[in-house]
Amino acid sequence: KAGVTQTPRYLIKTRGQQVTLSCSPISGHRSVSWYQQTPGQGLQFLFEYFSETQRNKGNFPGRFSGRQFSNSRSEMNVSTLELGDSALYLCASSPRTGAYNEQFFGPGTRLTVL
Amino acid sequence: SQQGEEDPQALSIQEGENATMNCSYKTSINNLQWYRQNSGRGLVHLILIRSNEREKHSGRLRVTLDTSKKSSSLLITASRAADTASYFCATDDGSGGSNYKLTFGKGTLLTVNP
Repeated sequence: KAGVTQTPRYLIKTRGQQVTLSCSPISGHRSVSWYQQTPGQGLQFLFEYFSETQRNKGNFPGRFSGRQFSNSRSEMNVSTLELGDSALYLCASSPRTGAYNEQFFGPGTRLTVL
Repeated sequence: SQQGEEDPQALSIQEGENATMNCSYKTSINNLQWYRQNSGRGLVHLILIRSNEREKHSGRLRVTLDTSKKSSSLLITASRAADTASYFCATDDGSGGSNYKLTFGKGTLLTVNP
């Protein structure tokens, strides 16, 4: 099976712009989670989507939003970018069946905000 | 705040030696996981240990969990240069519905010198 794919891999934006990141989960996986990784704050949970519904949400401002499509692909959007949004954004997919399943991470999208 | 805190922050050893990393967490959990990350790339799932387990093995990896002390350790035996990476522990929050919201520690940077 193909792994989790994220596009684009690298992105440079300026303050005030908005950005959309995409994540394609492993085939058959219905849960997609997003994480932000920065040197200062480490890995922080953004949100999780399952069956097109947001199931969990982390402590991020409303500028961060996401959605999931019927094919389980997910997008994450950040509006009005700030310098502090520069980070590696990781998505992870999981079957989310029965007992807890491990999460499989993609390679990440590195966002730089200038 | 971080749920898991790894110790040490950095560890440098010679090939063939064993590496031990520790993780402490604050609240009840259903399971604890260890991940590896190579130089700013995606996370690779190493092992999951459930709260009712005390020890688990996978190849050269040995994980222990002490829920009374809210701590876990990851032992890598006979280390190789390819084990050079950052290692993170991740926990859920102990509730059934939020098992997919992982809280990560800041990681241990392991360097294995050839």
